[in-house]
Amino acid sequence: KAGVTQTPRYLIKTRGQQVTLSCSPISGHRSVSWYQQTPGQGLQFLFEYFSETQRNKGNFPGRFSGRQFSNSRSEMNVSTLELGDSALYLCASSLDGLAGVDTQYFGPGTRLTVL
Amino acid sequence: GENVEQHPSTLSVQEGDSAVIKCTYSDSASNYFPWYKQELGKRPQLIIDIRSNVGEKKDQRIAVTLNKTAKHFSLHITETQPEDSAVYFCAVSAGGGADGLTFGKGTHLIIQP
Repeated sequence: KAGVTQTPRYLIKTRGQQVTLSCSPISGHRSVSWYQQTPGQGLQFLFEYFSETQRNKGNFPGRFSGRQFSNSRSEMNVSTLELGDSALYLCASSLDGLAGVDTQYFGPGTRLTVL
Repeated sequence: GENVEQHPSTLSVQEGDSAVIKCTYSDSASNYFPWYKQELGKRPQLIIDIRSNVGEKKDQRIAVTLNKTAKHFSLHITETQPEDSAVYFCAVSAGGGADGLTFGKGTHLIIQP
């Protein structure tokens, strides 16, 4: 099976702009989670989607949002970009997203730089 | 919320020696404990995981032990090789349902030739 894919791989934006990142899960996986990775804060959970519904959300401002389509592909949007949003954004897919049951497999990430 | 502490932040060992990385967590309801390896510029890759009904799990040179009473778990790598050099992250599920993983800050493992 093909692994988790993310597009684009690299992105440069300026403060105040918005950005949309895309994630295609492993075939058959219905849960997609998003994480932000920075040198200072490490890997932090953003949110998780299952069957087009957000089931859980981490501690990020409302500028961070997402959605999931009927084919399980997911998009993440960040509005009004700030310098601190520069990070590697990773998505991970799993079968059902049930903690304690499912393994999460990560995509290669999208490197976002905000100037 | 869940809090995960990982130590050490950097670990340098001679090739062939063993390496041990430890993590502690705060939520006693946590029930899933994966370890990920991330090489420079690459995605985190799951190397081993353990669930709360098991105390130890081994896969070739890699093992994980879990002490639920003390709320800590450890990654053990034996007979280290140059390709083991990477950043290792422990993670914890926050206790069920669709919760995301809470990660430790990572350990940079350096294998000295």
